[in-house]
Amino acid sequence: QQPVQSPQAVILREGEDAVINCSSSKALYSVHWYRQKHGEAPVFLMILLKGGEQKGHEKISASFNEKKQQSSLYLTASQLSYSGTYFCGTGGQNTGNQFYFGTGTSLTVIP
Amino acid sequence: GAVVSQHPSWVICKSGTSVKIECRSLDFQATTMFWYRQFPKQSLMLMATSNEGSKATYEQGVEKDKFLINHASLTLSTLTVTSAHPEDSSFYICSARDNVGYGYTFGSGTRLTVV
Repeated sequence: QQPVQSPQAVILREGEDAVINCSSSKALYSVHWYRQKHGEAPVFLMILLKGGEQKGHEKISASFNEKKQQSSLYLTASQLSYSGTYFCGTGGQNTGNQFYFGTGTSLTVIP
Repeated sequence: GAVVSQHPSWVICKSGTSVKIECRSLDFQATTMFWYRQFPKQSLMLMATSNEGSKATYEQGVEKDKFLINHASLTLSTLTVTSAHPEDSSFYICSARDNVGYGYTFGSGTRLTVV
């Protein structure tokens, strides 16, 4: 039931863009995105509920495909503060209300 | 917004002793809470679902006799790591379904070190 993320790790220079993907073999009720800094709790970024949905703001946005099996997180003009591990996750009706995190993507932004 | 308070934030204990971690929902009632464990450089893995007034349900491979969960009230769930060993050293985090906004609120986590 754990969503699979790609890539596992990515290194960017400040100002570059990145895309993180999250895939499931089954349609997801919802997809959530979190960022975790080392030694800290994950911080909520956004949730997508509808197939075909896109949301976010100029720098960080996400999409959810029509079949609700794939989501992508878009980081634009990355900043040093974007460094961390990004997790997608899913919860709700299709998981018995349990919430499962994806495999994670380590993102490092260098000057 | 919904807040989940988790204590302690870190604990060091001797091998063979037991450690209790508390998770409280501060401004909402949580009939269901979830416990996760995270090893270094790995994802957060769901250990168990805590249900108020009934037994917890454990994910496959999690020892229920080792990780005791009690959901005594609508605002409190506790995880007790019994007879802790160094391999139990990990980051433990709880969450609750709050039905507000995005639906899941996470505690700040507990770093457990068993020496």
